[in-house]
Amino acid sequence: AQSVTQLDSQVPVFEEAPVELRCNYSSSVSVYLFWYVQYPNQGLQLLLKYLSGSTLVESINGFEAEFNKSQTSFHLRKPSVHISDTAEYFCAVSSPLSGSRLTFGEGTQLTVNP
Amino acid sequence: ETGVTQSPTHLIKTRGQQVTLRCSSQSGHNTVSWYQQALGQGPQFIFQYYREEENGRGNFPPRFSGLQFPNYSSELNVNALELDDSALYLCASSSGLNAGGYTFGSGTRLTVV
Repeated sequence: AQSVTQLDSQVPVFEEAPVELRCNYSSSVSVYLFWYVQYPNQGLQLLLKYLSGSTLVESINGFEAEFNKSQTSFHLRKPSVHISDTAEYFCAVSSPLSGSRLTFGEGTQLTVNP
Repeated sequence: ETGVTQSPTHLIKTRGQQVTLRCSSQSGHNTVSWYQQALGQGPQFIFQYYREEENGRGNFPPRFSGLQFPNYSSELNVNALELDDSALYLCASSSGLNAGGYTFGSGTRLTVV
């Protein structure tokens, strides 16, 4: 069985400040890791993913996440946030054995204040 | 290239009724998965269909059922609705069994009163 823990339910920050959204996972097999973003009244949009290879993955809008196998973590970071980054962020895990089933965390609400 | 389309966007049902939610997959995608997202929570996997066959199911009772059609569109049916079924229902499609290639729809907001 797999599980995901997002350590912060809410993260308020000021515009242009750095941010880290924390995610830890539990799995007895190799994993694929994802971050999704959800804006109000919308579905999920894939932000970035780790499938294999380089442990540091980046998105096109400045976010990055690093897969740390020893710490079973996949924290999401951005060096300077914008008001438009305000949204709910979900960490998710799957594995080659679970097919394409995703197990999600409870989500972290990022609020960027002016 | 169209994305994943879900209908309706919102609906209200009475406890005990039945509901059907619809999903049109992204062009070229043959796998559909359904998720339930209760308010303030992460999405929970309901089930997945691959080439018209169920290919995995989460911890949901049998009154949650589904279909996938030859054009790879899909339906989620819920019988004997309960108040706790109120949630956002998300459909996601992919090409093959590839979680890395999921595209999510905007969801159907179901309210059971």
